[in-house]
Amino acid sequence: DVVMTQSPLSLPVTLGQPASISCRSSQSLVHSDGNTYLNWFQQRPGQSPRRLIYKVSNRDSGVPDRFSGSGSGTDFTLKITRVEAEDVGVYYCMQGTHWPKGFGQGTKVEIK
Amino acid sequence: EVQLVESGGGLVQPGGSLRLSCAASGFTFSSYSMNWVRQAPGKGLEWVSYISSSTSTIYYADSVKGRFTISRDNAKNSLYLQMNSLRGEDTAVYYCARTSYMDVWGKGTTVTVSS
Repeated sequence: DVVMTQSPLSLPVTLGQPASISCRSSQSLVHSDGNTYLNWFQQRPGQSPRRLIYKVSNRDSGVPDRFSGSGSGTDFTLKITRVEAEDVGVYYCMQGTHWPKGFGQGTKVEIK
Repeated sequence: EVQLVESGGGLVQPGGSLRLSCAASGFTFSSYSMNWVRQAPGKGLEWVSYISSSTSTIYYADSVKGRFTISRDNAKNSLYLQMNSLRGEDTAVYYCARTSYMDVWGKGTTVTVSS
């Protein structure tokens, strides 16, 4: 199975400052169809997960443009340009290229 | 509005059974594959099972294979998860999520396995 490893697992950030979360996979996430199925999800406290980014760098509808995704192969990053209070929560990467699908352990973003 | 609403959770004894449902609305359910994903208390997300739109393709996580059965009724816009031989480690919030790439999630239903 593909193992997804996120770092850091805890990320205290000052409001208005940038934040960056790394996600590494144990195998390349390039699918035979040429796409890379790496998604990012946000889970605010007490809420269900919400997809932010699909196929590495595509923002879902309604997602603020301060969120961006990048990467390729086995190495991916979620960046928040300026953290706002509503960004507090746990962020998960998920690979959809290989079965079984797998999530990273989650990165908890909190305000300093 | 696109919506997924899970139901059927509850308290069950180890070895017992439970059937979860996920009611879909606001989109053409029969055109979309679906997943069940769970989250144990204080833990991360774990993919559980997948079913294609036509039910021709089904996958399970090793942790539930042989005990859980995913199904759907496209006429009723509903997804199901039959859970048998439940264990303590199955205690979790169970979410249904649309498509292989999980673009829409429900609010979840809580399953507690305890004597």
